[in-house]
Amino acid sequence: DTAVSQTPKYLVTQMGNDKSIKCEQNLGHDTMYWYKQDSKKFLKIMFSYNNKELIINETVPNRFSPKSPDKAHLNLHINSLELGDSAVYFCASSLQQGAGYNEQFFGPGTRLTVL
Amino acid sequence: AQSVTQLDSQVPVFEEAPVELRCNYSSSVSVYLFWYVQYPNQGLQLLLKYLSGSTLVKGINGFEAEFNKSQTSFHLRKPSVHISDTAEYFCAVSFSSNTGKLIFGQGTTLQVKP
Repeated sequence: DTAVSQTPKYLVTQMGNDKSIKCEQNLGHDTMYWYKQDSKKFLKIMFSYNNKELIINETVPNRFSPKSPDKAHLNLHINSLELGDSAVYFCASSLQQGAGYNEQFFGPGTRLTVL
Repeated sequence: AQSVTQLDSQVPVFEEAPVELRCNYSSSVSVYLFWYVQYPNQGLQLLLKYLSGSTLVKGINGFEAEFNKSQTSFHLRKPSVHISDTAEYFCAVSFSSNTGKLIFGQGTTLQVKP
């Protein structure tokens, strides 16, 4: 009965490869997010989608492309992976867009290691 | 610009002692305030949040936090910690007129020693 799930949990790959991380939520939420947690544990938002529409797009390299096939799924595709992309990527969801008071529910994270 | 500062990167404390984790924010607009906890190798879990009303907020696992508007602070406290409270704690703010974007502090590692 996992609320927000991510696959894979671990991802080890070579520089220059392309990889995807998948996220699914079964909470019926409208809004989903991608966060990046760096080696110092600092968390920063990357993207947010509301009901399949992109609403937040932070200053992220365009090698990162989110895709939302439906409001329960938000995937992250990364092209031409670089060493600096190594991090833990968290997916999250919340009830409605624009409501800053809503709790965000986080997935377990995907640890990406680029060699 | 809005920002969140957690004043302590690490807080070591003995079991059953009280603890306070400090958080200050900077904003020119109204904010919503959150504390999240991250246990090792897990995602984040909400401890508590302040939206409005009473400035003392109680959360899960015996934690509480007090919103102080004049000092722009939202410090987290627990009167008696357990070994199981060892984790990373994140303060975060969201702004009342935005897209739900959370801005996180740098995190505080709480190390509870026996």
